[in-house]
Amino acid sequence: DAGVIQSPRHEVTEMGQEVTLRCKPISGHDYLFWYRQTMMRGLELLIYFNNNVPIDDSGMPEDRFSAKMPNASFSTLKIQPSEPRDSAVYFCASSPQTSGRAAGELFFGEGSRLTVL
Amino acid sequence: AQTVTQSQPEMSVQEAETVTLSCTYDTSESDYYLFWYKQPPSRQMILVIRQEAYKQQNATENRFSVNFQKAAKSFSLKISDSQLGDAAMYFCAYTRYYSGTYKYIFGTGTRLKVLA
Repeated sequence: DAGVIQSPRHEVTEMGQEVTLRCKPISGHDYLFWYRQTMMRGLELLIYFNNNVPIDDSGMPEDRFSAKMPNASFSTLKIQPSEPRDSAVYFCASSPQTSGRAAGELFFGEGSRLTVL
Repeated sequence: AQTVTQSQPEMSVQEAETVTLSCTYDTSESDYYLFWYKQPPSRQMILVIRQEAYKQQNATENRFSVNFQKAAKSFSLKISDSQLGDAAMYFCAYTRYYSGTYKYIFGTGTRLKVLA
């Protein structure tokens, strides 16, 4: 089975530009999470979805960040306008949550490394 | 509030030797899950091992095992016969089901170096 797929793997952009990160969760997983990882702050939860509906976006740093999940197989995280302090690795993870042996387990993508100059 | 503490920012182990990574957590709940995730230089977070709090038996996965001390709120990871491929960041994580979803708390990680 394919795991969580993220794109792009690397993104280098200039301050002020719009950045869109993409994620395809594992089929059948009801929950999708966006995390940000930096050396200073570690792993931070930005937002998560349940059945395509945003449930908790309290971790989104500011209005420049937005996330959507138009269907069960696709989600985007958008930063507009981007700033140098947004440089980080952004992870998408999905989870089956309550069902089966993997209940509660997070399945991570390979991450998107964002560098804002 | 729940917290997860990894007090060892970095550890080193000789190849083929055994190393133990520490993790403590704080919770007032009785039903939860604990995980160890590995993050190699390739970046992807990979599940190493999981432990259900209601199970008294310590989880094992090949060379990886945990020492789960529920009363002490301790969840250490033991890696036996360390291999060069074990070099990575290791994150301890806690989760429990709350208000219709699982809430995850991650530790700050321990960087493991494996010396040839």
